[in-house]
Amino acid sequence: GAGVSQSPRYKVAKRGQDVALRCDPISGHVSLFWYQQALGQGPEFLTYFQNEAQLDKSGLPSDRFFAERPEGSVSTLKIQRTQQEDSAVYLCASSLATPQGTDTQYFGPGTRLTVL
Amino acid sequence: AQSVTQLGSHVSVSEGALVLLRCNYSSSVPPYLFWYVQYPNQGLQLLLKYTSAATLVKGINGFEAEFKKSETSFHLTKPSAHMSDAAEYFCAVTLNSGYSTLTFGKGTMLLVSP
Repeated sequence: GAGVSQSPRYKVAKRGQDVALRCDPISGHVSLFWYQQALGQGPEFLTYFQNEAQLDKSGLPSDRFFAERPEGSVSTLKIQRTQQEDSAVYLCASSLATPQGTDTQYFGPGTRLTVL
Repeated sequence: AQSVTQLGSHVSVSEGALVLLRCNYSSSVPPYLFWYVQYPNQGLQLLLKYTSAATLVKGINGFEAEFKKSETSFHLTKPSAHMSDAAEYFCAVTLNSGYSTLTFGKGTMLLVSP
């Protein structure tokens, strides 16, 4: 069956450019999460959507980061005026229900962003 | 608030040897605990999870983990390593109380030699 897909898989941007990263969750999954995984680190939470509502954006590192999920399915993470410290793998995950702890999150393969 | 500590950024074992990957957690309320595996250029795959039922949890690929509240630990084990187990392993925690996000450890790279 189809899992979580992300595109592009690799993105190289020049410092100052804007980028948009796409996530297609598993069909019917209510919850969608974005994580940032720096080299040699574990994933760190960025933001959470329940359907189209962004309920938690406490992990977004700056106001250059913006995420949306307008129809409650596909989500886009946008980074404006990219900086070198934004270089990381961006992971998307979805889960069937709301995050009450036990619900399994299914992860996509990630987008590796390199900012030169 | 919650946190996870994984001891050892790299663990090396021989094929057929016991695998032991350590995870200690800190949590203000009873936790749910997870182990994920990440193969190169792939997303994270759930190995197993503890959700306050049995303290010994069995997962995929022959892995298991035991929740020990007194030691605040959730170590991952496998009796006999296989070459295909070589990957990075992440322990994660979330709270057993309402809305909570996953907090991951820094990961442990498992190296398996023939």
